[in-house]
Amino acid sequence: DVKVTQSSRYLVKRTGEKVFLECVQDMDHENMFWYRQDPGLGLRLIYFSYDVKMKEKGDIPEGYSVSREKKERFSLILESASTNQTSMYLCASSPRGSGSDEQFFGPGTRLTVL
Amino acid sequence: QKEVEQNSGPLSVPEGAIASLNCTYSDRGSQSFFWYRQYSGKSPELIMSIYSNGDKEDGRFTAQLNKASQYVSLLIRDSQPSDSATYLCAVSDSNYQLIWGAGTKLIIKP
Repeated sequence: DVKVTQSSRYLVKRTGEKVFLECVQDMDHENMFWYRQDPGLGLRLIYFSYDVKMKEKGDIPEGYSVSREKKERFSLILESASTNQTSMYLCASSPRGSGSDEQFFGPGTRLTVL
Repeated sequence: QKEVEQNSGPLSVPEGAIASLNCTYSDRGSQSFFWYRQYSGKSPELIMSIYSNGDKEDGRFTAQLNKASQYVSLLIRDSQPSDSATYLCAVSDSNYQLIWGAGTKLIIKP
């Protein structure tokens, strides 16, 4: 089974703090994604990566950055956390070239910024 | 702007009945279509994928795809209280990404 893990299930941070969210997948997937999910707004793509050291902006990249130094790990960074970044953060991965774009999700990190 | 539309619900269905969930999409070039189930506070999990026109059955679930009309649906037969969740429709674009609907909340009433 594909396994995607995220470093924390719940996280509470203060405004202005730098926040790191880690995601690791064990299925050798090329593609990795970071989403945030808010009530009534569905899944919104923040950043994605097709390969090591590659990154592409999604729909809402402002206030975020990412790092992919190893194929299995994709990190989301909030440079200076703000209250409007309180949300559920979901990491996903998918294989490339399989003919399917099915994505596998981690358990999510619920981040609260005070 | 590529879009996937779903009725937000809630859709209330009696236990044992058929639940019907619908989704329309705007990108005629989409090739892959997915239904994910998401329980409250949990992450989405894939329950059905469909790639060609027609029906695809898996246990109590049937996905239906009509590319000409640009809609995809999910039928859940013999609905159970454990089927109560939000169902997300996702459609592939040309860049290995998925375009997501906002989800339909399904409530199965015992």
